[in-house]
Amino acid sequence: QSALTQPRSVSGSPGQSVTISCTKTSSDVRGFTYVSWYQQYPGKAPKLMIYDVSKRPSGVPDRFSGSKSGNTASLTISGLQAEDEADYYCCSYAGSFVLFGGGTKLTVL
Amino acid sequence: QLQLQESGPGLVKPSETLSLTCTVSGDSIGSRSYFWGWIRQPPGKGLEWIGSFHYSGITYYNPSLKSRVIISVDTSKNQFSLKMSSVTAADTAVYYCARPIDDHNLISFDYWGQGTLVTVSS
Repeated sequence: QSALTQPRSVSGSPGQSVTISCTKTSSDVRGFTYVSWYQQYPGKAPKLMIYDVSKRPSGVPDRFSGSKSGNTASLTISGLQAEDEADYYCCSYAGSFVLFGGGTKLTVL
Repeated sequence: QLQLQESGPGLVKPSETLSLTCTVSGDSIGSRSYFWGWIRQPPGKGLEWIGSFHYSGITYYNPSLKSRVIISVDTSKNQFSLKMSSVTAADTAVYYCARPIDDHNLISFDYWGQGTLVTVSS
């Protein structure tokens, strides 16, 4: 059984950089080629921030970047702003179906 | 501008069938090779993918829900639907419909409906 593991919470001060990790726990990481990241505010629909590991959809600030190494993907937010405080979810494939990570709450101190 | 709107009963009794519809405007469900999806989120919890479909009939389901879920499409109405049978309180969630950013992509949803809360309770 595959799973995507994220830290429950991370925090940072305005202007700093934070990184949220997403680790695929599985004996088979071959399917961890594609990773997306979502930002979600309370009571709102998720917003796509990163896809295909490191691509940004139109309109997403370049402060948001994605990367991957082995079975761990990362979302880095540089120049942290108060408006970045939200929940973040990673998402990837597990064979022919889709997995979301458990979510990480980002607190801007 | 693409818009998606979920609709359906907000309250479903245990053991009954949950039925939701997603109405799409600003794009045609059958115009490209998108895999339109359903995702849900229990109150205070994370996102869970329910399933995705292509207008040609190709459908993928979350294995943990597959035995209870059917996703169908009505291209004439530009709508797609979710039916989930034998619901329990654990199925209480906000249900979203969504479209991915490009063809043949199941994990990168860039257009979402506003979500609709479905409560399972007697």
